[in-house]
Amino acid sequence: QSVLTQPPSVSAAPGQKVTISCSGSSSNIENNYVSWYQQLPGTAPKLLIYDNHNRPSEVPDRISGSKSGTSATLDITGLQTGDEADYYCGTWDTSLSAGVFGGGTKLTVL
Amino acid sequence: QVQLQESGPGLVKPSETLSLTCSVSGGSISTYYWTWIRQPPGKGLEWIGYIDDNGSTNYNPSLKSRVTISSDTSKNQFSLKLRSVTAADTAVYYCARGYSGNDVIRHSSYYFMDVWGEGTTVTVSS
Repeated sequence: QSVLTQPPSVSAAPGQKVTISCSGSSSNIENNYVSWYQQLPGTAPKLLIYDNHNRPSEVPDRISGSKSGTSATLDITGLQTGDEADYYCGTWDTSLSAGVFGGGTKLTVL
Repeated sequence: QVQLQESGPGLVKPSETLSLTCSVSGGSISTYYWTWIRQPPGKGLEWIGYIDDNGSTNYNPSLKSRVTISSDTSKNQFSLKLRSVTAADTAVYYCARGYSGNDVIRHSSYYFMDVWGEGTTVTVSS
């Protein structure tokens, strides 16, 4: 059972927008910064978002992140087949004094 | 740019110690938070722990009694040891470079991993 809760799967058509949610608590998301990772099949995770909404320079601006209270969201617009992957949220949990991840969300581009 | 590469045995017997090394090239391990993460087959990511630039460590509470992370700055490497392994420790193990700190204005902590190794599969079996 993961500390952070994500939907197991989401899907949308090419060109559409998808939102992936990540739910936590006051000991993690509410009071710490959230990051998001993309894991393409058979590869290592890649950082997409850090500090809730910042993107590394190589990540396109059709990918964005936000946070409100104990939840965070990852938005991907203009979906492409190459976006099919597993997506994970992560943060620091102050009570556990540990890094924590969500269980992951599989994105299918129909 | 910084690159990380995991190495170590792909097969470990139950009750023995899993030992992995992460070699860092293109940058020094004298800064940042050097992190281990694992992913059991078909499952999600699990944070194992990190060693920081002062040599201080922080471990997942569920693994703390069995884990040791250390570093060798002369070789620009850091290592993971996991004792008394069972089949449940079978996973792909990743090393990663981490950023961690505190935003004193917002009373918040940040922690994320920006560079990852390709991962190495470790199977626990007799």
